[in-house]
Amino acid sequence: GEDVEQSLFLSVREGDSSVINCTYTDSSSTYLYWYKQEPGAGLQLLTYIFSNMDMKQDQRLTVLLNKKDKHLSLRIADTQTGDSAIYFCAESNNNAGNMLTFGGGTRLMVKP
Amino acid sequence: DSGVTQTPKHLITATGQRVTLRCSPRSGDLSVYWYQQSLDQGLQFLIQYYNGEERAKGNILERFSAQQFPDLHSELNLSSLELGDSALYFCASSVGEDTQYFGPGTRLTVL
Repeated sequence: GEDVEQSLFLSVREGDSSVINCTYTDSSSTYLYWYKQEPGAGLQLLTYIFSNMDMKQDQRLTVLLNKKDKHLSLRIADTQTGDSAIYFCAESNNNAGNMLTFGGGTRLMVKP
Repeated sequence: DSGVTQTPKHLITATGQRVTLRCSPRSGDLSVYWYQQSLDQGLQFLIQYYNGEERAKGNILERFSAQQFPDLHSELNLSSLELGDSALYFCASSVGEDTQYFGPGTRLTVL
């Protein structure tokens, strides 16, 4: 079945860039998403990329997709303490309704 | 605020009981999805409804059921509850089958 993998933890200093990585196995993924979850809160959609794109930029966020290697990354420029959260990568496949398959999440800690 | 509402926010109940979680999608969204987030299983898709009809099923236990009503709100029914059912239950909605917006979740604690 489909599998989405992420590293568990990332620590950066305030003002640095953060790069969160994700790998997936489903080659028929339609969209790939990044969601943010703060403590005790729901999932906030950050950005997404269509599977036929290789890059998308949205203010401080840059998503890179390497479809050949099935590798997705999220770069956060000028990381702030408010960016501390868990970041989830997810892929959808319209052949199976539109269910999302999530990675385990990467906890980002931003040190002042 | 995503526009998706879920009630209740917290629910504490005992093993063997039955509970109902409610979700109202964003205005105009026809699809509703249910996900479970637990420490050991992570975020798992349970079930999707589109305009009142079941569209896709994931790892949903037979003790769990859901429906989507004509006004498009959805309910997730969990019965014969076990300790392992304690989790955060999220509802998400989308216009068709595209980007999903999540509600704040219902935290279920089974004692």
